[in-house]
Amino acid sequence: NAGVMQNPRHLVRRRGQEARLRCSPMKGHSHVYWYRQLPEEGLKFMVYLQKENIIDESGMPKERFSAEFPKEGPSILRIQQVVRGDSAAYFCASSPLGGENTEAFFGQGTRLTVV
Amino acid sequence: TQLLEQSPQFLSIQEGENLTVYCNSSSVFSSLQWYRQEPGEGPVLLVTVVTGGEVKKLKRLTFQFGDARKDSSLHITAAQPGDTGLYLCAGAHNYGQNFVFGPGTRLSVLP
Repeated sequence: NAGVMQNPRHLVRRRGQEARLRCSPMKGHSHVYWYRQLPEEGLKFMVYLQKENIIDESGMPKERFSAEFPKEGPSILRIQQVVRGDSAAYFCASSPLGGENTEAFFGQGTRLTVV
Repeated sequence: TQLLEQSPQFLSIQEGENLTVYCNSSSVFSSLQWYRQEPGEGPVLLVTVVTGGEVKKLKRLTFQFGDARKDSSLHITAAQPGDTGLYLCAGAHNYGQNFVFGPGTRLSVLP
């Protein structure tokens, strides 16, 4: 049973370019969460999605950032016109449908460097 | 705002010592998870606690969920260098809510 898969593991973009980060949840999981982590810091919630729906995007910057989780295919976190401050590790987690004892399993992250 | 606090922020101990780290909140959680994260990797789930007062043991690790489900502790017995890492707690309020993370405790176990 494959875990949460994120790609690419490392991504370098020049200022002004677009970054697209992909996350394939664990098999059978229909909930996806995106978090951002700066060096030496904890995880900051960005967005929570179910298939084809954004449930909570309260942690996502209003501009340049967007996320989707289509019916088919991986979840995508998209950052337009990247700036140096976007450099961080971006983690995706998935959880199964149903139940109060929901557990989230994380991918290995995408490390974005903006130069 | 749902905040989780963790203490201590940093902890450096010698191999063989015992330690306890804490996770506290003013909010009640339906479940709470502990993760360990190593440099360059994603967080790895260690345990989930769901019942107030619950105690779970995982080899040398003992996790406790407070009676009021607002706090939790992680106790490590006879720490080893392999225990080194960032320990994160995360709380969920109920089905369908996002997970709130604490800032983590950075543990260093010296040989």
